[in-house]
Amino acid sequence: EDQVTQSPEALRLQEGESSSLNCSYTVSGLRGLFWYRQDPGKGPEFLFTLYSAGEEKEKERLKATLTKKESFLHITAPKPEDSATYLCAVQASGGTSYGKLTFGQGTILTVHP
Amino acid sequence: NAGVTQTPKFQVLKTGQSMTLQCAQDMNHEYMSWYRQDPGMGLRLIHYSVGAGITDQGEVPNGYNVSRSTTEDFPLRLLSAAPSQTSVYFCASSSYGGHGYTFGSGTRLTVV
Repeated sequence: EDQVTQSPEALRLQEGESSSLNCSYTVSGLRGLFWYRQDPGKGPEFLFTLYSAGEEKEKERLKATLTKKESFLHITAPKPEDSATYLCAVQASGGTSYGKLTFGQGTILTVHP
Repeated sequence: NAGVTQTPKFQVLKTGQSMTLQCAQDMNHEYMSWYRQDPGMGLRLIHYSVGAGITDQGEVPNGYNVSRSTTEDFPLRLLSAAPSQTSVYFCASSSYGGHGYTFGSGTRLTVV
């Protein structure tokens, strides 16, 4: 059974204080690992897809990395508008698994000015 | 492009009532799926489809039915609503290969 665990559950940062969010996963053959951002009352918003260990992707102050067991979302010099819940999900390879994502519980990030 | 459209945005049902949550996408995506989001539980997959006429169960399918007669639409039916189905429901779609799923804005359902 595919499993995703995110830590910490909540993270409070001061504006400009860089940090990282962790996503540990077990999956029977990884096809892709996804990062999403979710604002209160809204649907998840796609950020990144990572496919293989060693891959990195960046978008503004966010950088996602992937190893064979975990992924990190690094936030550099965060701003208050980066406050949101960040979700990690995995997609297994093979057959109809392409239609399924398994999500972690998310990390609630709060950035104080 | 509207993306993924879910209706209604809010709904209150009485126990035992039935209803259909609508989901439509205009991106010609093959994959569509339904998730529910509960506090402390994250997003859990209810049902999914890899193309018109093809559906399969996810992690929490009991009490829900789906069908996919067109590429664009993937309705979720609650057969006999129960308080345990109080949740926020999200529909998502992706093209073949699933490089990035697009989510709708959600339906907040309360069963009393």
